[in-house]
Order: sequence, then C-alpha cells, then structure tokens
Amino acid sequence: DIVMTQSPLSLPVTPGEPASISCRSSQSLLHSNGYNYLDWYLQTPGQSPQLLIYLSSTRASGVPDRFSGSGSGTDFTLNITRLEAEDVGIYYCMQALQAPLTFGGGTRVEIK
Amino acid sequence: EVQLVESGGGLVQPGGSLRLSCAASGFSLSGSTVHWVRQASGKGLEWVGQIRDKYNTYATAYAASVEGRFTISRDDSKNTAYLQMNSLKTEDTAVYYCTHSRSGYVRDVWGKGTTVSVSS
Repeated sequence: DIVMTQSPLSLPVTPGEPASISCRSSQSLLHSNGYNYLDWYLQTPGQSPQLLIYLSSTRASGVPDRFSGSGSGTDFTLNITRLEAEDVGIYYCMQALQAPLTFGGGTRVEIK
Repeated sequence: EVQLVESGGGLVQPGGSLRLSCAASGFSLSGSTVHWVRQASGKGLEWVGQIRDKYNTYATAYAASVEGRFTISRDDSKNTAYLQMNSLKTEDTAVYYCTHSRSGYVRDVWGKGTTVSVSS
C-alpha cells in the first residue's frame, strides 16, 4: 500500500498570510499518462470532504484561486496565498493512483 | 441538483450486518467508479473500497481492514451503489461517505454521510 505522510500536523495562520502543507507518498504517484494522481481535500467540522485540487495541480470547479497545488512523483504541496477565515479546517491529501486509495493523516489549519 | 445521498446507517450489535445505499440524483453514476470512505469520530478519512463501471467489469477493491466482510455492488438502473457490511466490529463505527470518480479522477461530489454504530 502507498503510505501518505502530511506535515505539519497543525498549522496556525494569521488571516491574510500564506499557508503551505506538505504531502509525501511512499511511492511515485506519476501515472504513465503523465499525471500525478494526488487529490487535496478540505473538511470543515460536521461536513463532508470538499475536493480542492486533483491531479496534483488542477483546481476543482468553484475553488478560489488562492488555493494551488504543486509537486510530482512523491512530493506535493498545497499552498494558500492568503488565508481567510472560511479556510479553517482539516486538509487531507489522497493518492488515487492505485487501490487501496490512501489518505494522509490530515493537517489542521486554524486561525492564529 | 447533482448529489449523492447515503442511507441505511444505524445501530447494530457486533457480528451483525447492515447494507448502506448511495443514491445519485442529477447525474448518472453508470460511467463512474464509486468509492466508499469512512471516518471514525475524531479520526481521519479511511478509504473502504470501490466498484468500477461496467466497462471495467464492475471490478471491486477493498481496504484490508474490511476485505472478506464488506461487499460493494451497484444497480445502474437505480443509479445506486451499495455497501453490504457483514461481521461488523466495534471498530467499524464511523460515518460512511460515498463519492464517485467523474471522468476517472474528479471526486467532487460527496454525500453527507450516514452513521454506523456497532455496539452491544
């Protein structure tokens, strides 16, 4: 199974400041089609996960452009250029290259 | 409105069974892989399993923690997928979500989840 490791565990951020979350996989997520099968999700309390980024760097429909994803192979990053209050929650990366799909442990982003 | 709605959760004793449903509305599930994901209270997300579409022979895959106890199926005529859970354990207690892979890799529609509690 592919192991996903996120850091940091917790990230206090001042509103308006940037935030960055790292996700590493134990195997390359690069498919033969040239895409990296890596998703980013945000889960706010009591809500279902919301897709932010898929294929490592493609923003999902309706996701603000302050969110961006980057990386390839085994190292990936989610960046938020300017944190807003509504961005608070737990962020998860997930690999979708092969079953079993696996999630990172999550990063809790909170307001400093 | 495009949505997925899970149902069938409840309280069951250890060793018991439940069948969850994931009903799609506003779109067709037939060309998508359907996934089940669960989350125990205060814990992270755990992928449970998937069922692929008819073009991929409805192939299924499961997490090791549920292999041999859970079975995923689908009825495309009803636009619904199912998660049959047998030999339930207390550690299966969680909120169960379904989602689907639109265009093969876009998992942007999730249900609100249904709660399964396994307790004596």
